[in-house]
Amino acid sequence: GENVEQHPSTLSVQEGDSAVIKCTYSDSASNYFPWYKQELGKRPQLIIDIRSNVGEKKDQRIAVTLNKTAKHFSLHITETQPEDSAVYFCAATPSGNTPLVFGKGTRLSVIA
Amino acid sequence: NAGVMQNPRHLVRRRGQEARLRCSPMKGHSHVYWYRQLPEEGLKFMVYLQKENIIDESGMPKERFSAEFPKEGPSILRIQQVVRGDSAAYFCASSPPPSGSYEQYFGPGTRLTVT
Repeated sequence: GENVEQHPSTLSVQEGDSAVIKCTYSDSASNYFPWYKQELGKRPQLIIDIRSNVGEKKDQRIAVTLNKTAKHFSLHITETQPEDSAVYFCAATPSGNTPLVFGKGTRLSVIA
Repeated sequence: NAGVMQNPRHLVRRRGQEARLRCSPMKGHSHVYWYRQLPEEGLKFMVYLQKENIIDESGMPKERFSAEFPKEGPSILRIQQVVRGDSAAYFCASSPPPSGSYEQYFGPGTRLTVT
């Protein structure tokens, strides 16, 4: 089955700096890769996703890149703000309407 | 358009009791997934259901756990004879029928504490 590894487990950045979180996956059949943000005690919120027919996707300060050959994908947050502080999870799945396999999460702290 | 609803938000049970967790998917969504999150850990898939049908229960323990999604009403995750190790946050997510849309949207979760 699919296995998703996520690094780093914790990340501290100064406000205004960029943050990068990386994930690798094992199943070459996976072709959908969402990222979720979870604040303390709250639900995971979908913030951006990418499918395997696309190499990069951007939404304001957030971007995701995908390298299918190397089986890794990354989340990039630019101009970080204190409200970006949360736990971020990557996930992978072969298709729509199949269970997501999550990484273990990255705790991002943005220091003002 | 209401999001995914879960209740109760917090549930305390003593060892040996039963826990029932409910999930109402977003309007128009016919697929429900249940995930479990242990403290300081990621989300682990448990079971995937469509109306009146269990599609994949490979992540759900064989003993004590069951799930259903009836034709009418919410999806229910049932844990019988709870033990301390069942203490966790249980999230459900819903997605629309197969239409090219892959997104799963999560409910607020039920935090189960077993004393």
